[in-house]
Amino acid sequence: EPEVTQTPSHQVTQMGQEVILRCVPISNHLYFYWYRQILGQKVEFLVSFYNNEISEKSEIFDDQFSVERPDGSNFTLKIRSTKLEDSAMYFCASRSSGNTIYFGEGSWLTVV
Amino acid sequence: AQSVTQLDSQVPVFEEAPVELRCNYSSSVSVYLFWYVQYPNQGLQLLLKYLSGSTLVKGINGFEAEFNKSQTSFHLRKPSVHISDTAEYFCAVSEAAGNKLTFGGGTRVLVKP
Repeated sequence: EPEVTQTPSHQVTQMGQEVILRCVPISNHLYFYWYRQILGQKVEFLVSFYNNEISEKSEIFDDQFSVERPDGSNFTLKIRSTKLEDSAMYFCASRSSGNTIYFGEGSWLTVV
Repeated sequence: AQSVTQLDSQVPVFEEAPVELRCNYSSSVSVYLFWYVQYPNQGLQLLLKYLSGSTLVKGINGFEAEFNKSQTSFHLRKPSVHISDTAEYFCAVSEAAGNKLTFGGGTRVLVKP
């Protein structure tokens, strides 16, 4: 069964460093998302991406964050200068024209 | 704005007993409702969804949920749980098909032998 894959599964980074989280959405999907879950808190929407542009973003998704689809298969989330409060599980997700959003297994980011 | 409340943060339950996880939502428009499960060290997997039609929705692994518009609820049930059902369960809502999801805080189910 096709699935959304994410790398890395875990990353520890120094505060102030740039981080890129990578995702390979399901191949025929058109809509892409990033969500995050800070430990002990709700899963929160960050951004949605369609037709090579951001279609919606939350208040969390400030200028420190960016997304890119550099080729036909990858979808990346970049955090330019990480802060301690960016420590979280980051989930990539995708969907086709249908209703179901499929999630990856997440990337644990720890900022120290 | 929409919101989702899962009233129980943790639900301990014995194996083969029934379980019900409560979910209430608020929204000013029609919604689509979802339950996702997160097994330990895994991602979010869709259990079931309500888009329209019958208010009783059946999902994978023997789970079902009932949409109640008047009570703005979408409670999840399973008549007999297994050890393997130990996981965190998330209720989520979107205001249009495939639009962004708003999640509840999750309910951790611990199935005891």
